[in-house]
Amino acid sequence: DGGITQSPKYLFRKEGQNVTLSCEQNLNHDAMYWYRQDPGQGLRLIYYSQIVNDFQKGDIAEGYSVSREKKESFPLTVTSAQKNPTAFYLCASSTRGPVTEAFFGQGTRLTVV
Amino acid sequence: AQSVSQHNHHVILSEAASLELGCNYSYGGTVNLFWYVQYPGQHLQLLLKYFSGDPLVKGIKGFEAEFIKSKFSFNLRKPSVQWSDTAEYFCAVNSGGYNKLIFGAGTRLAVHP
Repeated sequence: DGGITQSPKYLFRKEGQNVTLSCEQNLNHDAMYWYRQDPGQGLRLIYYSQIVNDFQKGDIAEGYSVSREKKESFPLTVTSAQKNPTAFYLCASSTRGPVTEAFFGQGTRLTVV
Repeated sequence: AQSVSQHNHHVILSEAASLELGCNYSYGGTVNLFWYVQYPGQHLQLLLKYFSGDPLVKGIKGFEAEFIKSKFSFNLRKPSVQWSDTAEYFCAVNSGGYNKLIFGAGTRLAVHP
């Protein structure tokens, strides 16, 4: 089945620890995205990548980092610098250029205690 | 900066009522426009999209949206809602040839039998 896989579904971390969220796609898409979803705020763009080895900051990149070493993978690291990391994180992918449709994963709910 | 506004945060309707959800965007150039839906416990799914041509686009499950360029709007409509339409609806915009896909804050729709 083609699609986007995010793992794990639920993640708990202690305050001050970095944590990496996984996102893998087998849709052969060039572009990948990370969003943060909070109640009443919709989806806010953290980082996006149009091609391997390239990525751009979105609207709320502070406290996050990404890498894009492979076309299929776009991991997101939530660092200890992120002041309010508890949230639902969504990964998506699409073809490159004008977006025709973005496909989403099931999401990872991160809770920092 | 590009932005998307959804003015209705919560909408409550009875079955068979008509629905219109507002969406306005700020970008003045060529845009691709989308409506996504998130049913409880499920991942985001594309309802419909507009790239060019007929400004009235039809999507899945009886939804349609009208692009009004002069008003920078892309409102979602459905003539008669069902209980199964209970979900959160997101408007999104992609401008130019880039892969930056921006979402609105979402509208939570509750349909009562």
